[in-house]
Amino acid sequence: NAGVMQNPRHLVRRRGQEARLRCSPMKGHSHVYWYRQLPEEGLKFMVYLQKENIIDESGMPKERFSAEFPKEGPSILRIQQVVRGDSAAYFCASSLPDGGIGQLFFGEGSRLTVL
Amino acid sequence: GNSVTQMEGPVTLSEEAFLTINCTYTATGYPSLFWYVQYPGEGLQLLLKATKADDKGSNKGFEATYRKETTSFHLEKGSVQVSDSAVYFCALLGSSNTGKLIFGQGTTLQVKP
Repeated sequence: NAGVMQNPRHLVRRRGQEARLRCSPMKGHSHVYWYRQLPEEGLKFMVYLQKENIIDESGMPKERFSAEFPKEGPSILRIQQVVRGDSAAYFCASSLPDGGIGQLFFGEGSRLTVL
Repeated sequence: GNSVTQMEGPVTLSEEAFLTINCTYTATGYPSLFWYVQYPGEGLQLLLKATKADDKGSNKGFEATYRKETTSFHLEKGSVQVSDSAVYFCALLGSSNTGKLIFGQGTTLQVKP
């Protein structure tokens, strides 16, 4: 199965720690998107990346959050000094180079809990 | 800016009932419209899509028609099953096609036997 792979599926952190979420896109996909789903809310766009390039980070909080998609290896969403409000499900999606006309393939998500 | 509004849930139906989940949008230009479904504990899956006005997307018995005059893309199914219980998200892709989907808040559907 060459689906979008996210890990870890569940992550527990204490306030002030760092969280790293990883995403491997589907084979042949060079575009990666990160979305955040807060409890009882829809998905909010965070960032859109191609390999070694951030295309759109308009949904990323200005502080503590960063994302990368290196030439080799998975995409990483990094949250420094986590706070309770960061508790959410973080979904990664990938698409073909042309954006797939909106057809994104989603991973199963990484659920972050901040104690 | 672009936005999507869905009817609030949860929607609770009996098996074999008719389903409508309303979705309206605000966008400049000519967006593409989508319905995604999220089953418990899973990621989102594309259910259907329509890329231009009057197009009808369909899949697994679900249908939605792109209505530009009413800026709507309502999801319908003639006879729901328990296995359709999930969260349904309406989404749009702006005409600039940067690949960034804008999602509605999601509507939870519960189908009871």
